[in-house]
Amino acid sequence: GAGVSQSPRYKVAKRGQDVALRCDPISGHVSLFWYQQALGQGPEFLTYFQNEAQLDKSGLPSDRFFAERPEGSVSTLKIQRTQQEDSAVYLCASSAKDEKLFFGSGTQLSVL
Amino acid sequence: GQNIDQPTEMTATEGAIVQINCTYQTSGFNGLFWYQQHAGEAPTFLSYNVLDGLEEKGRFSSFLSRSKGYSYLLLKELQMKDSASYLCAVRVPMGGGSQGNLIFGKGTKLSVKP
Repeated sequence: GAGVSQSPRYKVAKRGQDVALRCDPISGHVSLFWYQQALGQGPEFLTYFQNEAQLDKSGLPSDRFFAERPEGSVSTLKIQRTQQEDSAVYLCASSAKDEKLFFGSGTQLSVL
Repeated sequence: GQNIDQPTEMTATEGAIVQINCTYQTSGFNGLFWYQQHAGEAPTFLSYNVLDGLEEKGRFSSFLSRSKGYSYLLLKELQMKDSASYLCAVRVPMGGGSQGNLIFGKGTKLSVKP
């Protein structure tokens, strides 16, 4: 497709369950970012990939969060042993080298 | 640390002009972006400033003063569809050869009334 695609659109998880969120960036985009957006807040940086290399993961809130982009295209954000405070919208964004970010519609995660 | 401030909410009338301010204090600066976000949707790019001055694009204009750490987004001839959140974001340098990551403000929720 022409834009950044994220799936699933909505995810409900029981506390303690593992989840995996997928991002398909715009074809050819080198840079890929993951953000977390709580209700009524701006997006907060989680991690950054340049091709398959994870160059910055300083925003990941705990070691329960893990992201990968093994072939430099699709990326997966995995959250292990989900907690209620993980409930948020997870946004993926991609860009051609050093240009503006294009965002996906996000995955809304609800942890019960 | 990184700090980006913008008003939480604003209300304006259809057909009017509204100015949304943003002040920032960041460790480094590689440009300032404005994004529009409708509820439940992806943020969409509106404007980019890296040099001081005004950038105009149709009904939207954005201004930057780097010495003051200040930007504003100006929306003219407001339409009902402009009701959305407006996010101010500063790009700060990162390693790895990238110009940087975006640090976002909390967003300004604009309500346009008839």
